[in-house]
Amino acid sequence: DSGVTQTPKHLITATGQRVTLRCSPRSGDLSVYWYQQSLDQGLQFLIQYYNGEERAKGNILERFSAQQFPDLHSELNLSSLELGDSALYFCASSVPAQGGAGELFFGEGSRLTVL
Amino acid sequence: AQKVTQAQTEISVVEKEDVTLDCVYETRDTTYYLFWYKQPPSGELVFLIRRNSFDEQNEISGRYSWNFQKSTSSFNFTITASQVVDSAVYFCALTSSDSNYQLIWGAGTKLIIKP
Repeated sequence: DSGVTQTPKHLITATGQRVTLRCSPRSGDLSVYWYQQSLDQGLQFLIQYYNGEERAKGNILERFSAQQFPDLHSELNLSSLELGDSALYFCASSVPAQGGAGELFFGEGSRLTVL
Repeated sequence: AQKVTQAQTEISVVEKEDVTLDCVYETRDTTYYLFWYKQPPSGELVFLIRRNSFDEQNEISGRYSWNFQKSTSSFNFTITASQVVDSAVYFCALTSSDSNYQLIWGAGTKLIIKP
């Protein structure tokens, strides 16, 4: 158990819909990362937050947004869903003292299926 | 630009055989960090090891060992006396200031251990 909690574990929805994925980082971790893993794209970095502020942005679509709340949990919002958004979405957290070069601890992922 | 190459897409061995997963990286930075993660069929990503560029000592953890060679820009992972539970996708990753400390991932190697 990594200590990172993601909900929901599975989600099935239709095209055009909007979903919210939630992540609670490990106790004490200030950084939260979101990744997308699809069969053809591998692991894609979406976005990173550090103590409530956006720290880095990767290949995140404009239809997607995220935020980190004062209690450090994070949410990833996916809207106007398309079939190609079907993927496993991971949240990870890291120890801030490592300066960004520390290991990431991943949640179990949220598997999104868009029909 | 930074890059991580895991040339072996899939490896299949019989239980108790030794197996080596290759990882070759590219970076201009002199300070960087290398990682291995395991993704078993259940889906979660599990951190295995982090190595910084100044520490070329090989590491052994039980049946797992890692061979870091800066001269060939490789960070290979060997499993000795493989077991069925080792079946997973293994990812190698790299981070440094050049990537703003975001992880650069290899495509992963799927390891199948047959009983």
